[in-house]
Amino acid sequence: DAKTTQPTSMDCAEGRAANLPCNHSTISGNEYVYWYRQIHSQGPQYIIHGLKNNETNEMASLIITEDRKSSTLILPHATLRDTAVYYCIVKSPNSGYALNFGKGTSLLVTP
Amino acid sequence: DVKVTQSSRYLVKRTGEKVFLECVQDMDHENMFWYRQDPGLGLRLIYFSYDVKMKEKGDIPEGYSVSREKKERFSLILESASTNQTSMYLCASSLTPRTSGHASTDTQYFGPGTRLTVL
Repeated sequence: DAKTTQPTSMDCAEGRAANLPCNHSTISGNEYVYWYRQIHSQGPQYIIHGLKNNETNEMASLIITEDRKSSTLILPHATLRDTAVYYCIVKSPNSGYALNFGKGTSLLVTP
Repeated sequence: DVKVTQSSRYLVKRTGEKVFLECVQDMDHENMFWYRQDPGLGLRLIYFSYDVKMKEKGDIPEGYSVSREKKERFSLILESASTNQTSMYLCASSLTPRTSGHASTDTQYFGPGTRLTVL
């Protein structure tokens, strides 16, 4: 699976959009981009995934660049409960079972 | 919504004890997983199961065994607990059948975790 690079930490004011970047320059054609988050002392929570088109669900939007070498997770109106570590994972559906969470981005939403 | 539950949030055991961690999912998922999470090491896969009574070793199976007698339940067993098994244990499940490759059903859903301390 391709390697991902994320900033170590980010801050965001409550009510503003949080834009979390992820670089995956070695992504291959059949690899999807997944985003998970982990609130302190809880299990990881699935947020969204995509292949090449932009995706949106009730939690977030995922913007993938045309060359697929990077992506951005957007939380449109961040709340204090969105404070968590956000993980960008690149994986092919046929490449095995384990998810490589890496170190992720620690997002702090401030009042 | 998918629900994955784990038998305990916090557990304290003594060295040498046999420890059972149980996980139950209610979405009829084929795959179930046990990970452990340690600071600086991220999530590491211990075992997974792709069907009842079927299991495969993950990256760090030593010191652990698993049991899957029913589709919805996956147990992690520490035969003789040691202090280096103090960790957060996370169970997950996913729908993807072993031979298919659909990303939507490849998503893993996690339980709340069990923080195990071995004294």
